[in-house]
Amino acid sequence: GAVVSQHPSRVICKSGTSVKIECRSLDFQATTMFWYRQFPKKSLMLMATSNEGSKATYEQGVEKDKFLINHASLTLSTLTVTSAHPEDSSFYICSAITGGLNTEAFFGQGTRLTVV
Amino acid sequence: SQQGEEDPQALSIQEGENATMNCSYKTSINNLQWYRQNSGRGLVHLILIRSNEREKHSGRLRVTLDTSKKSSSLLITASRAADTASYFCAGQAGTALIFGKGTTLSVSS
Repeated sequence: GAVVSQHPSRVICKSGTSVKIECRSLDFQATTMFWYRQFPKKSLMLMATSNEGSKATYEQGVEKDKFLINHASLTLSTLTVTSAHPEDSSFYICSAITGGLNTEAFFGQGTRLTVV
Repeated sequence: SQQGEEDPQALSIQEGENATMNCSYKTSINNLQWYRQNSGRGLVHLILIRSNEREKHSGRLRVTLDTSKKSSSLLITASRAADTASYFCAGQAGTALIFGKGTTLSVSS
């Protein structure tokens, strides 16, 4: 199957700093990429949907100025957590699809962010 | 927002037994997908069932979909210790997947 690479897998940062997470589709062009957040022992919450070359669509309650998403190419999307605080600590997962309806999504390995 | 509610939240069985997980969803969907997640890892796609399908098989997996009840079930037959993981259903309406709460399956040998 298609491969989505997410980097870094783990990051620890200090409060007030910004962290960038990359999501790359390695062997396909992703028309759309998604960013999810997962709390311990909980499900995935959709944060935003991004299409290459256009602004991301954020879900209700997700601060777009806090979580900056850039989808610069058909193979790369980045999520930047700005001015991170301990409550931003979480597991962030990206996914990508190749088409529209009725297509499976391919997921990155996830990034464990710890803000101290 | 979350689309589905999984039932049960946790399931413990012995190797060789069958495991059944149920999922209910709230809005209309184009398809429903099941994913597996090992602890602290990304998700692996298991199976996709379209809204006009009622049942689908893939190896030891059997998925049903009842759009009138807005529910789906995932059956894993002859379970193995390696099946231990969290299982999520996700409804797709548009392009985004909206996930249910998940079922944590433990298979002991």
